[in-house]
Amino acid sequence: DTGVSQDPRHKITKRGQNVTFRCDPISEHNRLYWYRQTLGQGPEFLTYFQNEAQLEKSRLLSDRFSAERPKGSFSTLEIQRTEQGDSAMYLCASSQHGGTESYEQYFGPGTRLTVT
Amino acid sequence: AQSVTQLDSQVPVFEEAPVELRCNYSSSVSVYLFWYVQYPNQGLQLLLKYLSGSTLVKGINGFEAEFNKSQTSFHLRKPSVHISDTAEYFCAVVNSGYSTLTFGKGTMLLVSP
Repeated sequence: DTGVSQDPRHKITKRGQNVTFRCDPISEHNRLYWYRQTLGQGPEFLTYFQNEAQLEKSRLLSDRFSAERPKGSFSTLEIQRTEQGDSAMYLCASSQHGGTESYEQYFGPGTRLTVT
Repeated sequence: AQSVTQLDSQVPVFEEAPVELRCNYSSSVSVYLFWYVQYPNQGLQLLLKYLSGSTLVKGINGFEAEFNKSQTSFHLRKPSVHISDTAEYFCAVVNSGYSTLTFGKGTMLLVSP
């Protein structure tokens, strides 16, 4: 069990550019979540997948954001036309499906995005 | 809708002293509760969880928490803290039957010698 991994760990981009982040969940977990954390705040839910199906999206996920999990394994989160307000830590988590264990989410190290 | 309140944004404490970090939640249905710890520039690590059973739950690094349904609280405690416990601590709740965690704003635990 290598844990949840995220790539890149840090990303600096200019306003208006597109960025894409990748998350690899724990191998036997079929649920995958994306959260955003801004300075001084707790993480806020963005979206989650069960296998390849995107089951829920937050109102925080504007039209510029899109997430995919095409084969039910890794996931990507893309932000188009980045804005300075998008600067945040983007966290990925995974969990098993079924039973109370499905409520236990394990987090990756996060990708810190800075939009200049 | 569910919500989590962590009243203390910072808790300063001396090494080897006891500490309690407070967490209150609001929900109209059954909940599951979690505490996570975040070290600088890192992701969140699960400290402990309440899913069912005993209301006193023990976690890693000597931490424990007690679920109090009548007071809608899930306070985190440690009898003797170490310098290495300096970190941000987040309380989180999920409603039974749902999947997404709602987090509090976090409490920064500052342990000094």
